Amino acid sequence: EPEVTQTPSHQVTQMGQEVILRCVPISNHLYFYWYRQILGQKVEFLVSFYNNEISEKSEIFDDQFSVERPDGSNFTLKIRSTKLEDSAMYFCASSEEGADQPQHFGDGTRLSIL
Amino acid sequence: GEDVEQSLFLSVREGDSSVINCTYTDSSSTYLYWYKQEPGAGLQLLTYIFSNMDMKQDQRLTVLLNKKDKHLSLRIADTQTGDSAIYFCAETLSGGSYIPTFGRGTSLIVHP
Repeated sequence: EPEVTQTPSHQVTQMGQEVILRCVPISNHLYFYWYRQILGQKVEFLVSFYNNEISEKSEIFDDQFSVERPDGSNFTLKIRSTKLEDSAMYFCASSEEGADQPQHFGDGTRLSIL
Repeated sequence: GEDVEQSLFLSVREGDSSVINCTYTDSSSTYLYWYKQEPGAGLQLLTYIFSNMDMKQDQRLTVLLNKKDKHLSLRIADTQTGDSAIYFCAETLSGGSYIPTFGRGTSLIVHP
């Protein structure tokens, strides 16, 4: 069964540095998403992406964050000037055409900011 | 705003049925989902139900929806140790963007 893949599985970064989290969505999916889950808290929506542009973003997704689809397969989340509170699991998801289609999640990247 | 609540823990004996409950506040829900998260893994979509349905069954899984009480449950029959995981309830709203709102998750512990 096709799946969403994320790399790396664990990223350790010094506070203030930039980090790029990578995702390869399922190949025929057209909607892409990033979520984060701070330890012990709920899964929170960050951003959705469709047709090469952001379709929706939450209040968490401020100027520190950006997303990009640099080629036909990758979908990246960039976090600039990382802070301690950015430490979390970051999940990528994708879904088929039709915004009501269920989302399929990757295994996540654990980001640890030191 | 919408909110989704779940109890944090459930412990069952292997072979018994598990029932994981979820309540939500927004009556305009369209889809309600159950996701499973095993240790170190992502969210695996288990099943989902459209809001005009009362029940959906898929092998060992039964989803019950009580719209009047805004209550969703997931029943796992013949629970196995491999079912031990965190189970997340989520909803999407009509007229919105279909971005799911998640509960905190229920840790299901299955013991022999």
